[in-house]
Amino acid sequence: AQTVTQSQPEMSVQEAETVTLSCTYDTSESDYYLFWYKQPPSRQMILVIRQEAYKQQNATENRFSVNFQKAAKSFSLKISDSQLGDAAMYFCAYRSAFTGANSKLTFGKGITLSVRP
Amino acid sequence: GAVVSQHPSRVICKSGTSVKIECRSLDFQATTMFWYRQFPKQSLMLMATSNEGSKATYEQGVEKDKFLINHASLTLSTLTVTSAHPEDSSFYICSGPGDPDTQYFGPGTRLTVL
Repeated sequence: AQTVTQSQPEMSVQEAETVTLSCTYDTSESDYYLFWYKQPPSRQMILVIRQEAYKQQNATENRFSVNFQKAAKSFSLKISDSQLGDAAMYFCAYRSAFTGANSKLTFGKGITLSVRP
Repeated sequence: GAVVSQHPSRVICKSGTSVKIECRSLDFQATTMFWYRQFPKQSLMLMATSNEGSKATYEQGVEKDKFLINHASLTLSTLTVTSAHPEDSSFYICSGPGDPDTQYFGPGTRLTVL
């Protein structure tokens, strides 16, 4: 079974600074997807970024980028130029690629990010 | 991204009553949707997989007779909490595959059982 580990329960960053959220996972599969979801106080889960394991290039979405290390099974999220609206709980998630879009997500425990003005 | 709606957003009910929560995919069709439960400051816990036209698949430890799931169409899945008790109070979230690779989530339903 796959597992996703987010070992830091909380982090804090100064506005306009950069912060990196860590995530490691364990799997025996060769093809899979990794995700970072954001859950602000509204509790709406929002997709931040997605990485396909067979792609070596790290995904980026505006101020958000990942450092995907497949051999190390590491998938960290870097938030640049942090904004107050980035304050939220962030979840790392894994999905197998073999069972299609209907396969379930495995989530980490999440990390609460606070942004200091 | 794809849009998923949930109704109601909040519900308060008396102990012993049943509550139905609807999950709709607004701009995509889904043969499978997922239902989660989430406690404050915790991760999402998968309860069950809703399958259009067939029975739901429940995760271990989830009471299928208490949490009834119906996937009546390609755009609607419902979760009914039967004979609700205070310990069923929680935040319930659904998701569906808005694109071939990614799950998109509804805004959630906060259930309070008095």
